[in-house]
Amino acid sequence: DTGVSQNPRHKITKRGQNVTFRCDPISEHNRLYWYRQTLGQGPEFLTYFQNEAQLEKSRLLSDRFSAERPKGSFSTLEIQRTEQGDSAMYLCASSLSRDNEQFFGPGTRLTVL
Amino acid sequence: DAKTTQPPSMDCAEGRAANLPCNHSTISGNEYVYWYRQIHSQGPQYIIHGLKNNETNEMASLIITEDRKSSTLILPHATLRDTAVYYCIVLGYGGSQGNLIFGKGTKLSVKP
Repeated sequence: DTGVSQNPRHKITKRGQNVTFRCDPISEHNRLYWYRQTLGQGPEFLTYFQNEAQLEKSRLLSDRFSAERPKGSFSTLEIQRTEQGDSAMYLCASSLSRDNEQFFGPGTRLTVL
Repeated sequence: DAKTTQPPSMDCAEGRAANLPCNHSTISGNEYVYWYRQIHSQGPQYIIHGLKNNETNEMASLIITEDRKSSTLILPHATLRDTAVYYCIVLGYGGSQGNLIFGKGTKLSVKP
């Protein structure tokens, strides 16, 4: 399967713990996006990378959130000191360039107890 | 990016055409209309996009009005597997970095 993959698919954690999610984009895709989706809402943009450079962050991305894309390949999204409001589906997408469609992964569903 | 308006839900009989409308009255000349769909518990899936002309691919057809203020996504022969939330998104490349702005979409239910 050469699509976008995300791990883990599900994560349950206790409030205050740190969590890290991984996204493996389609190889040769330069752009990588992170979105967050809560129940009943459409996905909301968090941040994106052009190769290894993080070029834009949404105001939704608080100081507790950090994302990396070392060497322009896979990306990680870390949430520190999780809160119940962080419970959501975290989606990753990649595209060949800005002008190409985005391919989404299956998402990581986070539940903060 | 311009905003879009879609009906919250629609029903369609299996085998019939599903016509999903979208209003984007403030669309600018360099902004494209994109359609994605999201089947329950999966990530969104790209369907089709267009600028001015009507477009067709293996999944659907996109009809854009001449004034570009509205469009219709057509699934010619809907199946049960087409049940999903369909998002109409307007995306401009002039000043945009390409991040998609999703609304609530239209929940399409295909019924046998």
